[in-house]
Amino acid sequence: GQQLNQSPQSMFIQEGEDVSMNCTSSSIFNTWLWYKQDPGEGPVLLIALYKAGELTSNGRLTAQFGITRKDSFLNISASIPSDVGIYFCAGQEGEAGGTSYGKLTFGQGTILTVHP
Amino acid sequence: SAVISQKPSRDICQRGTSLTIQCQVDSQVTMMFWYRQQPGQSLTLIATANQGSEATYESGFVIDKFPISRPNLTFSTLTVSNMSPEDSSIYLCSVERLGSGSPLHFGNGTRLTVT
Repeated sequence: GQQLNQSPQSMFIQEGEDVSMNCTSSSIFNTWLWYKQDPGEGPVLLIALYKAGELTSNGRLTAQFGITRKDSFLNISASIPSDVGIYFCAGQEGEAGGTSYGKLTFGQGTILTVHP
Repeated sequence: SAVISQKPSRDICQRGTSLTIQCQVDSQVTMMFWYRQQPGQSLTLIATANQGSEATYESGFVIDKFPISRPNLTFSTLTVSNMSPEDSSIYLCSVERLGSGSPLHFGNGTRLTVT
């Protein structure tokens, strides 16, 4: 089956620093998603990307859908303590809004720690 | 986005017993999925809950171990049968509304510990 390689596995940064993480796939996805998971909770959707080359921002977060459709990155600018958590990339095979449903393939996660 | 409620939020169970997890959505959704997140791991899809028919299971997961029901468009259950310590995980329900352009959203999960 498809596999996603997410890196780095963990990051320890100072408040105010920028963060970058990425995912690569052995095959193509039609949608890339980025989720954040806090302890004791389910993943919360941060950004969804639907087109190759698409660059999307959500506040301090920016994510891009790679041209080859096999990779994506997430940047967080000016990190703050509440950015702490586990970030997951996920690829969806089905087309967004289409007739086919999409089951997600998840990366291994990036554990982010922000020191005040 | 849909509000997804899972019950129970956590449980501690003895090996050999079974636990049924409920997922309730506040509005009708097209697709419902069940995921497992083992300790310190990523999420893995168990199955797609199909309304009015048998669930579609992913490789490595079988109906006898994880029976699933979906009687309507807002509710599904996942049963973890004949549990062993290896079943200790977070079990998550997720939903998708086809045609909405909205990707998968997740409930808060059920944290299961098997002793």
